[in-house]
Amino acid sequence: EVKLLESGGGLVQPGGSLRLSCAASGFTFTDFYMSWIRQPPGKAPEWLGVIRNKANGYTTEYNPSVKGRFTISRDNTQNILYLQMNTLRAEDTAIYYCATGNWFAYWGQGTLVTVSS
Amino acid sequence: DIQMTQSPASLSASPEEIVTITCQASQDIGNWLAWYQQKPGKSPQLLIYSATSLADGIPSRFSGSRSGTQYSLKISRLQVEDTGIYYCLQRYSNPRTFGGGTKLELK
Repeated sequence: EVKLLESGGGLVQPGGSLRLSCAASGFTFTDFYMSWIRQPPGKAPEWLGVIRNKANGYTTEYNPSVKGRFTISRDNTQNILYLQMNTLRAEDTAIYYCATGNWFAYWGQGTLVTVSS
Repeated sequence: DIQMTQSPASLSASPEEIVTITCQASQDIGNWLAWYQQKPGKSPQLLIYSATSLADGIPSRFSGSRSGTQYSLKISRLQVEDTGIYYCLQRYSNPRTFGGGTKLELK
């Protein structure tokens, strides 16, 4: 059974940093592209970026809306996906999800990030 | 960025009715489109991918179609458990973009 469990969310002040984690199990982690997606309260989801699989060299792509502030990485020995978020702004307040593959067939339950002073 | 315009924003329908939700892409995206259902407090669930392919475990009353740059999600016999918000997604090019959502309620 595929399981994705995000953690690391919380309250952070504007300008601060946060690192989210997504623990994956139930599938061969290195075979899959992994994405981060966020959803502000009451709004549509927004794709943040992707880290490709082993066959594609674990390369990354980002939404221009967060490029330069957010970094996606993965620990393929522990099957964990990361999202490093820097210079956070109030508009980064959202539930953050990790999701598998190109079609986002599996999602985690999400972790809430609140950026506020 | 490719814009995905979803309609209607909300609708109310009775059980057993046929419901259709549409997404209009701002440019050609081929069949690189998916549909998701999201229930309150839950993460989105994949329903349809490649515009017309049913995801694993999804009931056959859900179907997807394409006409040019317009995509449709059809629920053939609405059930109580189909309430929620539906989103389309294009993955033709990055950044991948979602539609604004359609909130489906039952009468």
